[in-house]
Amino acid sequence: GDSVTQTEGQVALSEEDFLTIHCNYSASGYPALFWYVQYPGEGPQFLFRASRDKEKGSSRGFEATYDKGTTSFHLRKASVQESDSAVYYCALGDRANTGKLTFGDGTVLTVKP
Amino acid sequence: GPKVLQIPSHQIIDMGQMVTLNCDPVSNHLYFYWYKQILGQQMEFLVNFYNGKVMEKSKLFKDQFSVERPDGSYFTLKIQPTALEDSAVYFCASSPDWGGYAEQFFGPGTRLTVL
Repeated sequence: GDSVTQTEGQVALSEEDFLTIHCNYSASGYPALFWYVQYPGEGPQFLFRASRDKEKGSSRGFEATYDKGTTSFHLRKASVQESDSAVYYCALGDRANTGKLTFGDGTVLTVKP
Repeated sequence: GPKVLQIPSHQIIDMGQMVTLNCDPVSNHLYFYWYKQILGQQMEFLVNFYNGKVMEKSKLFKDQFSVERPDGSYFTLKIQPTALEDSAVYFCASSPDWGGYAEQFFGPGTRLTVL
């Protein structure tokens, strides 16, 4: 079945550092790929999506590029802020199905001022 | 932005009892979902629902689980009877569009503790 792997369980950075969270997926065809962010006490919030090879998704300074060759959708941000501290989830949506999302384990990002 | 509400935020019950988790989806959304997250584990899809019917369910959606949305009110997840392994955070989501490309809007979750 479909699966999503996030390499980093926890990331600790200082403000203005560069962020990379690695996401790799396993699925047939061209799934949609998502990043969601979850703040304490809230549910996951949609950050952005990409649905075809080489497409870049972006929002709030975060970006990721769909790479079918390496089956990856790595999240990057050039300069993080303390307010970016949250849990980040990579997720996969099967284009043929009924809207089910398959999530990665999540990455806890802590940004120190 | 649009908000999904979940009631209650925390529920503690004894094993074998029935529990109903309530979700108030975004008002113009037509597609509804439940996900389950056991502490420290992945969030996993349980079920989705449209037009009064379950469209797809996972193997986690046991026979003791049921969902409904009577007359456009809350979208509910009922577990009867509960088991210890049902302890988890349950997230409700809704979306305006169908399919794997749709953005889903999540509620804050209900933490269910089965004793």
